[in-house]
Amino acid sequence: DTGVSQNPRHKITKRGQNVTFRCDPISEHNRLYWYRQTLGQGPEFLTYFQNEAQLEKSRLLSDRFSAERPKGSFSTLEIQRTEQGDSAMYLCASTLRSISGTGSGYTFGSGTRLTVV
Amino acid sequence: AQTVTQSQPEMSVQEAETVTLSCTYDTSENNYYLFWYKQPPSRQMILVIRQEAYKQQNATENRFSVNFQKAAKSFSLKISDSQLGDTAMYFCAFMNPTSAGNMLTFGGGTRLMVKP
Repeated sequence: DTGVSQNPRHKITKRGQNVTFRCDPISEHNRLYWYRQTLGQGPEFLTYFQNEAQLEKSRLLSDRFSAERPKGSFSTLEIQRTEQGDSAMYLCASTLRSISGTGSGYTFGSGTRLTVV
Repeated sequence: AQTVTQSQPEMSVQEAETVTLSCTYDTSENNYYLFWYKQPPSRQMILVIRQEAYKQQNATENRFSVNFQKAAKSFSLKISDSQLGDTAMYFCAFMNPTSAGNMLTFGGGTRLMVKP
């Protein structure tokens, strides 16, 4: 297992276009998180999945954003009608959460840097 | 809601010297976890050290140690014998283990430059 993989690494798009990012978590991890990091700031939580179920969404996740995790494996984050304010790095992380409530630490991917021009 | 504040946007240190990065947080919870993450230019967030709030002993990991002051809600990171490879953004983060999602709340980060 090579860790959490995110593709593409960079994406430049014109305002108004749709973009989709992919995250492949560590295979045995049942939780997957998306965070957004703007330049010079710390990451902010967007949404997370427990297996294939999307359990929580931040108010940062507007209607133009949608995330999926089919079959509890990889996840995609789509942004429709992109705006310049969407320019940021989108980080994915995964972790293993057991029924008892204990968990492993987060493993982060290297992120997808989105630039909207 | 929890907040995490890092008051030092940038710091620099000479190679082999010691540097301390500051972090304060605000929470009404009694049990929680605190973390320091390193984000080098490669962008992957790497865990440096973790502290559980119910443990009074400060966590240490080789050259990295923390000063955890629960009453003051302070969680500073000390890097001893700084190395060029320590140059990176450092983020302090908070997590409530009893919350459903165990999300991390990050501070704004401190950019550390280690000079030769």
